Amino acid sequence: GAVVSQHPSWVICKSGTSVKIECRSLDFQATTMFWYRQFPKQSLMLMATSNEGSKATYEQGVEKDKFLINHASLTLSTLTVTSAHPEDSSFYICSAGGQGVSYEQYFGPGTRLTVT
Amino acid sequence: QKEVEQNSGPLSVPEGAIASLNCTYSDRVSQSFFWYRQYSGKSPELIMSIYSNGDKEDGRFTAQLNKASQYVSLLIRDSQPSDSATYLCAVNRGGSQGNLIFGKGTKLSVKP
Repeated sequence: GAVVSQHPSWVICKSGTSVKIECRSLDFQATTMFWYRQFPKQSLMLMATSNEGSKATYEQGVEKDKFLINHASLTLSTLTVTSAHPEDSSFYICSAGGQGVSYEQYFGPGTRLTVT
Repeated sequence: QKEVEQNSGPLSVPEGAIASLNCTYSDRVSQSFFWYRQYSGKSPELIMSIYSNGDKEDGRFTAQLNKASQYVSLLIRDSQPSDSATYLCAVNRGGSQGNLIFGKGTKLSVKP
């Protein structure tokens, strides 16, 4: 399967600061990437769909001004959590793929964010 | 009605047994179905995809799809303790975006 990386793997930040998470597709070009959030013992929740060269599509209830997504190239999408609060502490996971007939998505290793 | 439903478990099977994981979905236009394995604290890993009615086998894993019944399952033969994880069923939402809808997952425990 395809390889997707994320950086950083974990981050601790203070309340009110911003954090940027990078998602890279290493061996294929991804015109579409997806950002998920997962709270402990809960399922994956899709936050937004990131499209190269255009604005992201956010799921209902996700604040687009708080979770800034940039997909500037075919191999890189970034998620910036602005003015982070403790309730934003979660496991953030990106995936790439979802194209063509197969719609297979390959996940990055995830970023664990802790806001203190 | 939830879009993708799974029994949350935990499902406990002895080592060497067959583990059977089930999933139902509500959107009849869905065409692509996936099983992901997620170990605690890790991200999901794609283990099976299925697009047509019937069975698809890959090693110890067999996915089964019945679109008429809106049902997809995963069988794990000769279960190993290393198979202990949460298994997520995912269904494509339809349309060109390729968005997946995930079930809440079934936690599988394989006892030595």
